[in-house]
Amino acid sequence: DARVTQTPRHKVTEMGQEVTMRCQPILGHNTVFWYRQTMMQGLELLAYFRNRAPLDDSGMPKDRFSAEMPDATLATLKIQPSEPRDSAVYFCASGGQLGSGQYFGPGTRLLVL
Amino acid sequence: SQELEQSPQSLIVQEGKNLTINCTSSKTLYGLYWYKQKYGEGLIFLMMLQKGGEEKSHEKITAKLDEKKQQSSLHITASQPSHAGIYLCGADNDKIIFGKGTRLHILP
Repeated sequence: DARVTQTPRHKVTEMGQEVTMRCQPILGHNTVFWYRQTMMQGLELLAYFRNRAPLDDSGMPKDRFSAEMPDATLATLKIQPSEPRDSAVYFCASGGQLGSGQYFGPGTRLLVL
Repeated sequence: SQELEQSPQSLIVQEGKNLTINCTSSKTLYGLYWYKQKYGEGLIFLMMLQKGGEEKSHEKITAKLDEKKQQSSLHITASQPSHAGIYLCGADNDKIIFGKGTRLHILP
């Protein structure tokens, strides 16, 4: 069955290093979302795209985070430089028609030391 | 800005018992989503409610949206261990937001 895939599933890195997370949305879905989940803040929307165009990235720290969709089958979230406070689970989700909800990937667990 | 408040934050129930989780919005909801998250995994879409008074069911889970469209409840009948997890409500008005979640534990 169709699923959102994310890589890597786990990432441990040192402060200051670049981190790139990848997402493959469900084929045919035209919206892609990036979320961050922490115990303290819960689930927060970082950015989302419709038809590969960024619609809202107001939840994303612009100085270090960037999100792109180079093509319809790939979305990337990059952190440069990474900081310990970026440690969280990052989820990608894709959506199709209105009312069908969002389909989440398994997440990337990021630990920045 | 709009916020979604869920209650209770956590819930422990005996297997077979019924339970209810609530989600309250500070503004009128134009679309309310319920998701379930198993520990360490992504979210699974359960259902979406849009109309005041709307009620939907999925297996033993029923969700309702009140007439004023500011509160939704999720009810599980005859709970089972497979119902354990974190339940989150989400809204898509001018911004996509989620509640902090309700952690549900089922005791065998």
